[in-house]
Amino acid sequence: DQQVKQNSPSLSVQEGRISILNCDYTNSMFDYFLWYKKYPAEGPTFLISISSIKDKNEDGRFTVFLNKSAKHLSLHIVPSQPGDSAVYFCAAAGTDKLIFGTGTRLQVFP
Amino acid sequence: KAGVTQTPRYLIKTRGQQVTLSCSPISGHRSVSWYQQTPGQGLQFLFEYFSETQRNKGNFPGRFSGRQFSNSRSEMNVSTLELGDSALYLCASSLVGDSPEQYFGPGTRLTVT
Repeated sequence: DQQVKQNSPSLSVQEGRISILNCDYTNSMFDYFLWYKKYPAEGPTFLISISSIKDKNEDGRFTVFLNKSAKHLSLHIVPSQPGDSAVYFCAAAGTDKLIFGTGTRLQVFP
Repeated sequence: KAGVTQTPRYLIKTRGQQVTLSCSPISGHRSVSWYQQTPGQGLQFLFEYFSETQRNKGNFPGRFSGRQFSNSRSEMNVSTLELGDSALYLCASSLVGDSPEQYFGPGTRLTVT
């Protein structure tokens, strides 16, 4: 039972354009959502988060949008840079633990 | 502050053996969580320790166990290793507070042959 889903295993975007990574969840009790970025041979790095009382949170080139009625969140990266190439995981905060999606591999090409 | 450290970084074991992985959290962080990452499966939650007590447990068999020491350092043990246990094992620490951000170590890559 996958409570947090990232349906796109990979995404390829040209440098300078917008990258949009999507995440869906099933449990309406989740009240906090996070995005992590992971490079090979490293642990995930916290990127940005959003509380369920908000619908948008912005940090530099990264913006997370939350649509509670659709149980959907997305991460926008603009402009995309080659250094953004990594695997991105969304996570939802359940009761005292984080539940992660399966990840989306983003490749930003010149 | 130093980040989360995990030792060893790489490990090769044979089926049937057991293994112990170690994690030192960020100074001041009292919660430690363990995850297993395999291709296509994302990060699967193993368990979480806080103040030397297991507070949450994922859906893994009893061969997977852990503990936390008074200095918040944590160890994870896997007994009777199976080929399917080959994975990246990640440890994450967090402050116990209003936000649930977790900070990950680099992981231990376990290969079972």
